Amino acid sequence: ETGVTQSPTHLIKTRGQQVTLRCSSQSGHNTVSWYQQALGQGPQFIFQYYREEENGRGNFPPRFSGLQFPNYSSELNVNALELDDSALYLCASSLAGFPSYNEQFFGPGTRLTVL
Amino acid sequence: TQLLEQSPQFLSIQEGENLTVYCNSSSVFSSLQWYRQEPGEGPVLLVTVVTGGEVKKLKRLTFQFGDARKDSSLHITAAQPGDTGLYLCAGAGGGGADGLTFGKGTHLIIQP
Repeated sequence: ETGVTQSPTHLIKTRGQQVTLRCSSQSGHNTVSWYQQALGQGPQFIFQYYREEENGRGNFPPRFSGLQFPNYSSELNVNALELDDSALYLCASSLAGFPSYNEQFFGPGTRLTVL
Repeated sequence: TQLLEQSPQFLSIQEGENLTVYCNSSSVFSSLQWYRQEPGEGPVLLVTVVTGGEVKKLKRLTFQFGDARKDSSLHITAAQPGDTGLYLCAGAGGGGADGLTFGKGTHLIIQP
């Protein structure tokens, strides 16, 4: 069984740039969620994708967007980067269905630094 | 907006001591999960509790879900240095599509 993988591990960008982060879901999982974890905080939900459609979103602006592909891998895109976007970005995969307790399995994260 | 408050925020104790971490909310959750996160890594799922009043044990760790499904606790018996890490509680709403609501976490250090 393959776990959740993310790339790149670290990334440095400047304010105003755009960034794409990638995630490969755990084998057999059909749902992917993205979280932002600022230093010293718990993860905050950005959005969730199921069957290539966004089906849930947290309190993040539209410049945060995503994609899910037929093989259930996923991308997180952030446009017009701001300094406050500096954080650890976590991808989590899960299996939708009943019973579903929304147990999510996280990747190691991508550390984004915006200068 | 659902919020989860974790306490204490920081805890440093000696090896062999017992400790309890609390996770409280004014909202009802369909399930609650506990994760442990080490520096530079993603959170690792420890346990999921679903039923009000449920108690689950994982070796020296005991997890409890409140009767009203608004709060939870994690109790560690005879803590060891390997227990050091960030412990996060996360609540799931009924719909599942809203993602998990995380607390800020408890930074636990077990000194040898």
